[in-house]
Amino acid sequence: GESVGLHLPTLSVQEGDNSIINCAYSNSASDYFIWYKQESGKGPQFIIDIRSNMDKRQGQRVTVLLNKTVKHLSLQIAATQPGDSAVYFCAENMSRDDKIIFGKGTRLHILP
Amino acid sequence: DGGITQSPKYLFRKEGQNVTLSCEQNLNHDAMYWYRQDPGQGLRLIYYSQIVNDFQKGDIAEGYSVSREKKESFPLTVTSAQKNPTAFYLCASSISRTSYEQYFGPGTRLTVT
Repeated sequence: GESVGLHLPTLSVQEGDNSIINCAYSNSASDYFIWYKQESGKGPQFIIDIRSNMDKRQGQRVTVLLNKTVKHLSLQIAATQPGDSAVYFCAENMSRDDKIIFGKGTRLHILP
Repeated sequence: DGGITQSPKYLFRKEGQNVTLSCEQNLNHDAMYWYRQDPGQGLRLIYYSQIVNDFQKGDIAEGYSVSREKKESFPLTVTSAQKNPTAFYLCASSISRTSYEQYFGPGTRLTVT
């Protein structure tokens, strides 16, 4: 696979446990926050997003929490499975801007 | 199947040569993007295009060029002026310039020696 995360922070989680991946953002003017998942050798895939006027949003097995006071975003994955093994990126976007800014990513490693 | 394709998956070039990376989408998306990914640095934006015949520089455009002659195609040329071209290149598209949900291709790994 691609060596896209040689120096990324790594989170190791037992299969079946919940995973929490954290992200700190810098721009208090961002309107949307997005999580992407990148499996080895593939392009990133959109997981879930949250608007800046929300604190929490749930999807299928995933929950994103936003704490604007401390500029912190987290992705919670329930009952982690081997297929969740990937690099996870948080990203932010200002609605008046055409671009999204990606964070550096966290590698999630699933222990059998 | 609708999607975004990049070819080839692996590309090797000698230093001093220009090389063009292909990106095609059949999603009927207006906006397309090129990113570069290096170990430990996430994704960095090279160029993006909001509409046919128009494109803008991203954060690291030096040494790269693009064209957008057709809606479905957004090729990236890595020129000899790019000082460190070896990287993983990702193309993405979104339905419009204001959409933050981007669809990514599988990437092209470029190695320049």
